[in-house]
Amino acid sequence: DVKVTQSSRYLVKRTGEKVFLECVQDMDHENMFWYRQDPGLGLRLIYFSYDVKMKEKGDIPEGYSVSREKKERFSLILESASTNQTSMYLCASSFFSGTANYGYTFGSGTRLTVV
Amino acid sequence: KNEVEQSPQNLTAQEGEFITINCSYSVGISALHWLQQHPGGGIVSLFMLSSGKKKHGRLIATINIQEKHSSLHITASHPRDSAVYICAVSETSGSRLTFGEGTQLTVNP
Repeated sequence: DVKVTQSSRYLVKRTGEKVFLECVQDMDHENMFWYRQDPGLGLRLIYFSYDVKMKEKGDIPEGYSVSREKKERFSLILESASTNQTSMYLCASSFFSGTANYGYTFGSGTRLTVV
Repeated sequence: KNEVEQSPQNLTAQEGEFITINCSYSVGISALHWLQQHPGGGIVSLFMLSSGKKKHGRLIATINIQEKHSSLHITASHPRDSAVYICAVSETSGSRLTFGEGTQLTVNP
């Protein structure tokens, strides 16, 4: 089974701190994604990556950056955390070839609170 | 209008009931996904469909590409089925997902 591991389940950070959310997958998937989930807004795509050192902005990239130095690891960075970034963050990976999508695996989520 | 719409938003059932959750979408897709999220946050992929019907245990998912509509059925529902069920689509020639807002299912004993 593919595993997507997020480094923390719960995180509390102070406003202005630099925050790193780590995600590691163990099945050699090319594609990795960071989403945030908020009540009433559902899941929204922050950033994604189709390959090492590649990154693409999603729908809500403002205030975030990402790093993908190795295929298995995709990091989400909050440069200067703000209270409106309090949310559930979910990482996912998938294998996608041409027009065929071979499905997604999600991590367990990180619930981040910025105080 | 959202590209992916689910109904109902909330559903309460008695144990043993047959449950249907609906999903309509307005974009071209390469696949439709049904996801399950339990309290605590982790999301599990239940089905990925591009046509027809799939069955796994008590869960059945169908899709009608012409009508841009999918249904998730749960037969003989059980309290452990209580969760949020999310419909998502991966659009034509892309792999990112667009999500519905989810259906909160509660199955009472």
